[in-house]
Amino acid sequence: EVQLVESGGGLVQPGGSLRLSCAASGFTFSDHYMDWVRQAPGKGLEWVGRIRKKANSYTTENAASVKGRFTISRDDSKNSLYLQMNSLKTEDTAVYYCARITPSEYYMDVWGKGTTVTVSS
Amino acid sequence: DIQMTQSPSSLSASVGDRVTITCRASQGIRNCLAWFQQKPGKAPKSLIYAASSLQSGVPSKFSGSGSGTDFTLTISSLQPEDFATYYCQQYSTYPLTFGGGTKVEI
Repeated sequence: EVQLVESGGGLVQPGGSLRLSCAASGFTFSDHYMDWVRQAPGKGLEWVGRIRKKANSYTTENAASVKGRFTISRDDSKNSLYLQMNSLKTEDTAVYYCARITPSEYYMDVWGKGTTVTVSS
Repeated sequence: DIQMTQSPSSLSASVGDRVTITCRASQGIRNCLAWFQQKPGKAPKSLIYAASSLQSGVPSKFSGSGSGTDFTLTISSLQPEDFATYYCQQYSTYPLTFGGGTKVEI
């Protein structure tokens, strides 16, 4: 079964850091680009960023709202995706989802259940 | 950035109704459009990709159409499990952007 499981969420103070993880199983993780998407309480979906696969040099794309503060990385040997979040702001409070990108159409076909990040003093 | 505008933002419908949701892009995105369904407290679920292609395992009562800037999602006969919020998303250009969502209520 194809599965994505996020972890690492929690309560952090403004200005703090947090690292989210996404464990993948049931498919060849290294063949896929991966995305992070977030959803603030009661709000819509916001794309956070993308990391490409090894053949594309693991290059990344980020939303302007997180550029310079969030870093996406992956470890194909561990079938894991990461989101390093620094200089957190209260507006970063959200459920964070990881999503798999299909290798042909480049859309999000599988999503994890999400992990909650709360930035508050 | 490409703005995605969904309408309506919410609608009330009955079981058996045919429902249509519209999504408009602020500039042309070819057919690089996906639709997602999200139920309260759950992760989004992929329904449609490439504007009109049905994700594997999704029932055929869901259909999508459009190209360029104007797109629609249609549910042919609404069932109780279809009451949810629906989002469109363009994947033509970075940053990827979502519509604001359409809440389908009883």
